[in-house]
Amino acid sequence: AQTVTQSQPEMSVQEAETVTLSCTYDTSESDYYLFWYKQPPSRQMILVIRQEAYKQQNATENRFSVNFQKAAKSFSLKISDSQLGDAAMYFCAYRSPHEKLTFGTGTRLTIIP
Amino acid sequence: EPEVTQTPSHQVTQMGQEVILRCVPISNHLYFYWYRQILGQKVEFLVSFYNNEISEKSEIFDDQFSVERPDGSNFTLKIRSTKLEDSAMYFCASIPGQGNSGANVLTFGAGSRLTVL
Repeated sequence: AQTVTQSQPEMSVQEAETVTLSCTYDTSESDYYLFWYKQPPSRQMILVIRQEAYKQQNATENRFSVNFQKAAKSFSLKISDSQLGDAAMYFCAYRSPHEKLTFGTGTRLTIIP
Repeated sequence: EPEVTQTPSHQVTQMGQEVILRCVPISNHLYFYWYRQILGQKVEFLVSFYNNEISEKSEIFDDQFSVERPDGSNFTLKIRSTKLEDSAMYFCASIPGQGNSGANVLTFGAGSRLTVL
């Protein structure tokens, strides 16, 4: 079974600084997708960024980028120029085609003004 | 932008009562999911549904749980006899079928918070 591990239960960063959230996963599949979801206090699950495993280029979405290391099964999220609105729980997630989405345990990100 | 809609947003019920949580997935989506999140914990998969039948379920999804798509638009989760430990946020999600560029991105509803007393 696929597993997703987030080893940082909590992280904090100064406003305007950069922070990196870690995620590792375990799979025997070659075709899969990786995601970072943001869950603010409203508890809505919001997609931040996704990465297709077959793509070597790291995905970016404005201030959010990933470092995808397929051989190491690592998928970290970098948030640049952190803003107060970035404060939330961040979940790393894995999905292979036709399968369920599997979440990590989450990292709570605090932004220090 | 199309949304997944869930009702109710919050329900309080007595232990042993039946609860139905409702979801309206995005109209052209074909795969549907229920997840739950106990407060402060990870998001756990309950069940997936495709072509009017369950395609996968977790060990959490026991005989007390059922899902159905009664009218082609709503997707419901029923808990027959609620327990205290069923208190959680329940999320519905949907996904397009194959061949769609967004095929592998689950869109989540805002969640239904269930409190069992």
